[in-house]
Amino acid sequence: EDQVTQSPEALRLQEGESSSLNCSYTVSGLRGLFWYRQDPGKGPEFLFTLYSAGEEKEKERLKATLTKKESFLHITAPKPEDSATYLCAVQARGAQKLVFGQGTRLTINP
Amino acid sequence: DGGITQSPKYLFRKEGQNVTLSCEQNLNHDAMYWYRQDPGQGLRLIYYSQIVNDFQKGDIAEGYSVSREKKESFPLTVTSAQKNPTAFYLCASRSWDRSSYNEQFFGPGTRLTVL
Repeated sequence: EDQVTQSPEALRLQEGESSSLNCSYTVSGLRGLFWYRQDPGKGPEFLFTLYSAGEEKEKERLKATLTKKESFLHITAPKPEDSATYLCAVQARGAQKLVFGQGTRLTINP
Repeated sequence: DGGITQSPKYLFRKEGQNVTLSCEQNLNHDAMYWYRQDPGQGLRLIYYSQIVNDFQKGDIAEGYSVSREKKESFPLTVTSAQKNPTAFYLCASRSWDRSSYNEQFFGPGTRLTVL
């Protein structure tokens, strides 16, 4: 069964303090790994898709990386507006659905 | 201005009632999805549809029903058979292309509360 585990469940940082969020996965043939950002009471906002080990993608202060077993979302010099829940999901080859992790709730204090 | 709309934003249901959540998209996407989100849990797939007049059960379809009569619309009915319907419901869509994978994009959600 495909599974996604995100850690930590919650992370509190000071503004400017860089860190990483982890997404560990097991999947029967990876089609894609996806990162989303979700603000309270809103729908998830798409951030990145990663397809193969070694791939990296960047957007502003965020960089996502992928290995055969896990993905990291690195956040560099975060600002309070980066506070949100970050969701990771995988899709197996031939499957229609995404399997989501439970998310990491990130809080950036000014 | 393309996107996915869900209505209503908040919905209250009495015991024994059926309620219908609306999802509309003007992105010309072929596939549409319904997810349920509970506190501290990941999103779980209820139903999905790849083309008009066809839909498939997801992981937690019991107590829910859907229809796909138009490409743009994918309403979800929460029936009285769903014993614990209080949750945040999210609709998503993506374009269908055999040569590449396209991401799912989400609507703003509907929060359903059972009174």
